[in-house]
Amino acid sequence: QKEVEQNSGPLSVPEGAIASLNCTYSDRGSQSFFWYRQYSGKSPELIMSIYSNGDKEDGRFTAQLNKASQYVSLLIRDSQPSDSATYLCAVPPGTASKLTFGTGTRLQVTL
Amino acid sequence: DTEVTQTPKHLVMGMTNKKSLKCEQHMGHRAMYWYKQKAKKPPELMFVYSYEKLSINESVPSRFSPECPNSSLLNLHLHALQPEDSALYLCASSQEGRVYEQYFGPGTRLTVT
Repeated sequence: QKEVEQNSGPLSVPEGAIASLNCTYSDRGSQSFFWYRQYSGKSPELIMSIYSNGDKEDGRFTAQLNKASQYVSLLIRDSQPSDSATYLCAVPPGTASKLTFGTGTRLQVTL
Repeated sequence: DTEVTQTPKHLVMGMTNKKSLKCEQHMGHRAMYWYKQKAKKPPELMFVYSYEKLSINESVPSRFSPECPNSSLLNLHLHALQPEDSALYLCASSQEGRVYEQYFGPGTRLTVT
């Protein structure tokens, strides 16, 4: 089983809809979770972090964490074409000071 | 200044060449990272420097040699590379105590011929 799993997509949503991106992880010791966005040909950029169960909202973005089920998700409300990118879930293993990235989900927001 | 810079943007090198990639940050971050990213794949960690000392080497072949001359600079020395080493090489940095919130540079696109 991979340490961090994401559906590679592409996930296609119409403009204005809610995009839901999911990530599961295997290490029950993981305590913090991150979402990075990577536009095509660019480098990753941190957009959300979440440390405790429940929801965390930042503008149009909401991160959701369920440690019992070992999944973390990212919701993007009122999706815009500029949200089209690959979204990488990143989870530090419980015992190491490094990030493990999921394979990423490519999101396409259509007009 | 919240920027990580990398030079060169693009590099083409032969398998017998020696070249270096450079990374610089002026955010006062004390952790710096090298990642390798192939097309349609996530970044793969290569090396981590913490307070200018190598703290993690992810079993990277010795043809890649990292160096951290000071807290703002990170180099990656390349020698006798293989065509399969062609990739985007990303540098990142992070604050002390916030090692998972990393700022990435734009990357160096490396092609080995």
